Amino acid sequence: QVQLQESGPGLAKPSQTLSLTCTVSGGSISSGTFYWSWIRQHPGKGLEWIGYIYYSGDTYYNPSLKSRLTISVDTSKNQFSLRLNSVTAADTAVYFCATGSPYAFDIWGQGTMVTVSS
Amino acid sequence: EVVLTQSPGTLSLSPGERATLSCRASQSVGSTYLAWYQQRHGQAPRLLIYATSRRTTGIPDRFSGSGSGRDFTLTISRLEPEDFAVYYCQVYDTSPFLTFGGGTKVEIK
Repeated sequence: QVQLQESGPGLAKPSQTLSLTCTVSGGSISSGTFYWSWIRQHPGKGLEWIGYIYYSGDTYYNPSLKSRLTISVDTSKNQFSLRLNSVTAADTAVYFCATGSPYAFDIWGQGTMVTVSS
Repeated sequence: EVVLTQSPGTLSLSPGERATLSCRASQSVGSTYLAWYQQRHGQAPRLLIYATSRRTTGIPDRFSGSGSGRDFTLTISRLEPEDFAVYYCQVYDTSPFLTFGGGTKVEIK
């Protein structure tokens, strides 16, 4: 059973880079079955798809974030990561990693809260 | 970009009652591409239904999904105490691009 766990700083300063990692256990990130995704939820709000990556390295990003976003995969560590540049308070959210088909996500991490503040 | 509008925003019901949640898309959506999630307070979302009507493994059969084109429905036949939560629909669009609806909160009346 694949499980996901997010990790990374809970605080980022405005204009800096937010970096998060999702560690995959119980399965291989290289299996070719799944798309590895990031999704966020602003406080008290709904869900926003950030983007996902296939094990081959092919990435697909939300156009609204694309200019600031990099999602990468490290198959040797069985991890995938998110980097979001030039963050503002509007990037304050709970960030979830998730996986599944390209169309829906059936496995989620517990989420990690990131606050952007000086 | 497909926009999903969920209604009602809040549904106040009693345990044992039937819940009917609506999700309307701004344009026609392939049935393969519509999913429903449940999010309990403080938890990650959980996939209930994918491809409009297919239940994920372990989801009770009181949850059912239906619809086509622009209109989709999640039905909970008899509400259990653990079903009071927020429900989101989600669509996959070309590009690819994935969008979530604004959510329906099912609360205890």
